[in-house]
This record gives sequence, C-alpha cells and structure tokens, in this order.
Amino acid sequence: QVQLQESGPGLVKPSETLSLMCSVSGSSISGYYWSWIRQPPGKGLEWIGYIHHSGDSKYSSSLKSRVTISQDTSKKQFSLNLRSVTAADTAVYFCARGVFGVVFNNYYYGMDVWGQGTTVTVSS
Amino acid sequence: FILTQPHAVSESPGKTITISCTGSSGSLARSYVQWYQQRPGSAPTTVIYEDNKRASGVPDRFSGSIDRSSNSASLTISGLKTEDEADYYCQSYDTNNVVFGGGTKLTVL
Repeated sequence: QVQLQESGPGLVKPSETLSLMCSVSGSSISGYYWSWIRQPPGKGLEWIGYIHHSGDSKYSSSLKSRVTISQDTSKKQFSLNLRSVTAADTAVYFCARGVFGVVFNNYYYGMDVWGQGTTVTVSS
Repeated sequence: FILTQPHAVSESPGKTITISCTGSSGSLARSYVQWYQQRPGSAPTTVIYEDNKRASGVPDRFSGSIDRSSNSASLTISGLKTEDEADYYCQSYDTNNVVFGGGTKLTVL
C-alpha cells in the first residue's frame, strides 16, 4: 500500500522559509513525478510544483521565484522550501505521487496517491 | 491556462448531475483531464483520470467525458447518494504547468 506522509513545522513566521518533507512508503521513487499542492483555508487546490526522480523539477509560474523542491532518493523523501512567506501562504500542504505521459499525442499528468496534508500557518 | 468550474451545484438523491470544466482557449486540445473528489477535512482522491477512466474502487455511477472542440470536460454522477456530497476538482496539464479548476461543491439534498 502506497503511503505519503508530510511533516514539518505547523507555524512559520512571516519572511521566513517554510520547509516540509514528504516521506514515501510502498512505492519506488523512480518513474514518478512527485508534487506539492496547497489549499488555503476555504479555497481550492493550487499546484506548487513537482520533481522527477531524475532531478528535473517544474514549478508554478506564480510561485517559481520562491520555491525549491528537492529529493533524497535514498531515503525516499522529497522536500518543499518556500521562501519569504506571508500570511497568504497559510494553507494545508499536500504531497502527491504523479504520473506523466503522452497518450495518443495528448499529455497526461495526474496524481494518484496523496498524503493526508499538513496545516501550515504563517504568523508572528 | 485556466479551468473554470461552477462554484456549487445541488440535486436530490437518486438524480443525475453533471459538473462542467471549461478550459481557456485551446487548453484542453492536447491534454487529458482528471477529476478529484475531496470530502471535508480529507485529502483529494481520484475519481476519473485520462478524461473518462474510473479510478480503482470508484462506482460506475461516476463517468467523465470531454469535448475538445469546445474545450470542455464533464463529470457526471448518476443515482446520487448523500455520500457523494463533496468538492470536486478538475485538473489538467499544459507545458510544464499543472492546473486545477476552482472546484465545485456538490450538495445532495
């Protein structure tokens, strides 16, 4: 059974760096695109970015200047760093396993396993 | 690009409802659409992937479709049950960018 578990501080001060880790069990890291997604209170889902086991990473254009996603494949973990946070970054943060491909000339990216999410509040 | 969903829909148990997901110009022309269900306090789970394939364990009351000529996708739920009450999100991909629709709150009353 594939499981993802987010971990990290629940409270971060404004202007500091939000750092979260996602631990993967029951799945190989290889072949997948590992995503971070967030959900502000009462709002919808927002994709933050993903990293492939090769190290290739892509980020949302709106967050690109502040985000880094990295991985430790030996530990089956990947991490999110979000710099210079403000109250607008308060959200539930999810990690998810993603599958990417091209099927019949159409692009496909979908997330099939999600972590339970972790709440991060930005406040002094 | 942007995916637009109705903010909320409601229907009675046993009825059928369709939730739409409309992409900005041409955005769904070459990308598949996924649908996720999210109940309060829980993580999203996949309902439909690759436009119309049901995820494992999803009842056949759920179906997905797409019309690439009109740049829109739909999630249809038939035989509505109270347990279907949740938020539903469409999601697609375009040039290194993963996009979610704004979500639709389904009320079954």
